[in-house]
Amino acid sequence: DAKTTQPTSMDCAEGRAANLPCNHSTISGNEYVYWYRQIHSQGPQYIIHGLKNNETNEMASLIITEDRKSSTLILPHATLRDTAVYYCIVMGSQGNLIFGKGTKLSVKP
Amino acid sequence: GAVVSQHPSWVICKSGTSVKIECRSLDFQATTMFWYRQFPKQSLMLMATSNEGSKATYEQGVEKDKFLINHASLTLSTLTVTSAHPEDSSFYICSARDTRNEKLFFGSGTQLSVL
Repeated sequence: DAKTTQPTSMDCAEGRAANLPCNHSTISGNEYVYWYRQIHSQGPQYIIHGLKNNETNEMASLIITEDRKSSTLILPHATLRDTAVYYCIVMGSQGNLIFGKGTKLSVKP
Repeated sequence: GAVVSQHPSWVICKSGTSVKIECRSLDFQATTMFWYRQFPKQSLMLMATSNEGSKATYEQGVEKDKFLINHASLTLSTLTVTSAHPEDSSFYICSARDTRNEKLFFGSGTQLSVL
């Protein structure tokens, strides 16, 4: 199963776009990239997922490079409530999600 | 959107007792559910994959006789921590796959404290 690499932490000013990078250089052709976030003591919240094309929903945008070896999650207008740990995950061969350490995003006023 | 309900949210028990945690998919059928464990300031660790109507698949190092998983219906999976000990104290989280859209949704988690 492909592994992902993310920065340990990032800061973002409130109201600005938060761009969270993720490397997944060993991803295979049929593996999806998923993004979740977890606020302390809660279950992970689904944000977005994609295969090849860029995706956008009401929460975020997902930009996947053409070679699929990396992706970026974009929160267009970060708020204080977006402070959380963000996980970039490649779905495993069993259909499960193997979590790495994620990026701790701190949105500051 | 799809919702996964997990119950209880927290439980305190005495050492040596058993605790059952329920995970329900509320508006979709889930042939596969997953159980995770999370220690403070650490990431989620996959414990086992629960398959409806068949035996669960456990990750390496997870004792199947201690963490009993039952997936008796398409909307319910249970995790029973048998003969719990203080080192089993952790945050347990379930998830279920909605095959209609390939999304994996998570429950709100259960904080287990074993005294």
